[in-house]
Amino acid sequence: SYELTQPPSVSVSPGQTARITCFGIALPKLYASWYQQKPGQAPVLLIYKDTERSSGIPERFSGSSSGTTVTLTISGVQAEDEADYYCQSADSSGNVVFGGGTKLTVL
Amino acid sequence: GQLAQSGSEVKKPGASVRVSCKASGYTFIAYSLHWVRQAPGQGLEWVGRIIPYNGVTNYAQKFQGRVSLTRDTSVSTAYMELTSLTSDDTAVYYCATGIAAGDTNYFDPWGQGTLVTVSS
Repeated sequence: SYELTQPPSVSVSPGQTARITCFGIALPKLYASWYQQKPGQAPVLLIYKDTERSSGIPERFSGSSSGTTVTLTISGVQAEDEADYYCQSADSSGNVVFGGGTKLTVL
Repeated sequence: GQLAQSGSEVKKPGASVRVSCKASGYTFIAYSLHWVRQAPGQGLEWVGRIIPYNGVTNYAQKFQGRVSLTRDTSVSTAYMELTSLTSDDTAVYYCATGIAAGDTNYFDPWGQGTLVTVSS
């Protein structure tokens, strides 16, 4: 079955830049989205259509795409950004697929 | 828009559970409605979708034959029924509004989640 592959964890110091990647062979053809999930809360949409920032999301969150990899970049990481991050897209049949998630730790 | 889900459930193995998801603040029939689950300490897993406009459904292969998604447009509410529950179905179940983006969707908003616990 189709998979989206994310690193399990990323660590960064406050003020630094965090980059979280998501690999999928269909990503050149299908849009990806990114979600942030904090403990005990529902996921929140950050980025859609690879690069579009959702309403109300701080400018330090941005998305990019290059071939089979999409990347979520968090510039000037803050302590409140510590959370799990998920990419999401679809397979060739239109079934929704999520990446395994990346735990961002702010040191 | 907002999605409000029904409360937590505790079920015995072999039983069924029905979770509701009421939409407000947007036109219910204009977007797809998806269900996603998250087992304790695990990632997000797509269960399936319903098109409220016409009731068409698609299910993840893993849940085929065991899940049923329905909707009542008169009250802007979607329902998920999962049968033959096992302990592996213990999870938080989310509903989410699907917005079309090319051949896929993105999800916004999400419901608050419903914890379903399966235990004897």
